[in-house]
Amino acid sequence: AQSVAQPEDQVNVAEGNPLTVKCTYSVSGNPYLFWYVQYPNRGLQFLLKYITGDNLVKGSYGFEAEFNKSQTSFHLKKPSALVSDSALYFCAVRDVGASGGSYIPTFGRGTSLIVHP
Amino acid sequence: SQTIHQWPATLVQPVGSPLSLECTVEGTSNPNLYWYRQAAGRGLQLLFYSVGIGQISSEVPQNLSASRPQDRQFILSSKKLLLSDSGFYLCAWSVRGGASNQPQHFGDGTRLSIL
Repeated sequence: AQSVAQPEDQVNVAEGNPLTVKCTYSVSGNPYLFWYVQYPNRGLQFLLKYITGDNLVKGSYGFEAEFNKSQTSFHLKKPSALVSDSALYFCAVRDVGASGGSYIPTFGRGTSLIVHP
Repeated sequence: SQTIHQWPATLVQPVGSPLSLECTVEGTSNPNLYWYRQAAGRGLQLLFYSVGIGQISSEVPQNLSASRPQDRQFILSSKKLLLSDSGFYLCAWSVRGGASNQPQHFGDGTRLSIL
């Protein structure tokens, strides 16, 4: 079974400060991990993914995420937040070792990021 | 490039009326297709997914149904809407089959309000 947790419903950060949105996961095998962003009244947009290799993954809009296998985490980060980064962020996981409907990811409940001017 | 279209963008329907939401994908073949519902702007609930024409899997028992009459067309339907069917409905596609390291790509959704 696969699961993902986003422990914070909301993250507040001042513009220009670094931001972190947390995600932890649970899989029976190895994970494929994804981050998406959702702006109001829009669909989810893919930001970045971890498949294998370098633990630091770089994605769109200056975002990056760090895969930590020992802590089963995949936190989303950005060195300097912008007001326009304010949105809902979703982490998702797929278990590489699962069979059947393994292409279906499990999504976290989402974290609302608010960047204050 | 691939695109995904959903319509309508917003819909207001009375309780007990029928529903048909349509989703089409362009620029790719044999996609996996998904319908999600998002309540109150938060978590996603997977409703249906499809790996091919006429092949539909349901994740949640409810008064909704889905059909895939063509390779890149996915339709969400109901014969009689309930108040609890209100929400934001999202269609998504991903690369077919074992490429589970590929992301999903979402449409811009339909906001459905039931009165």
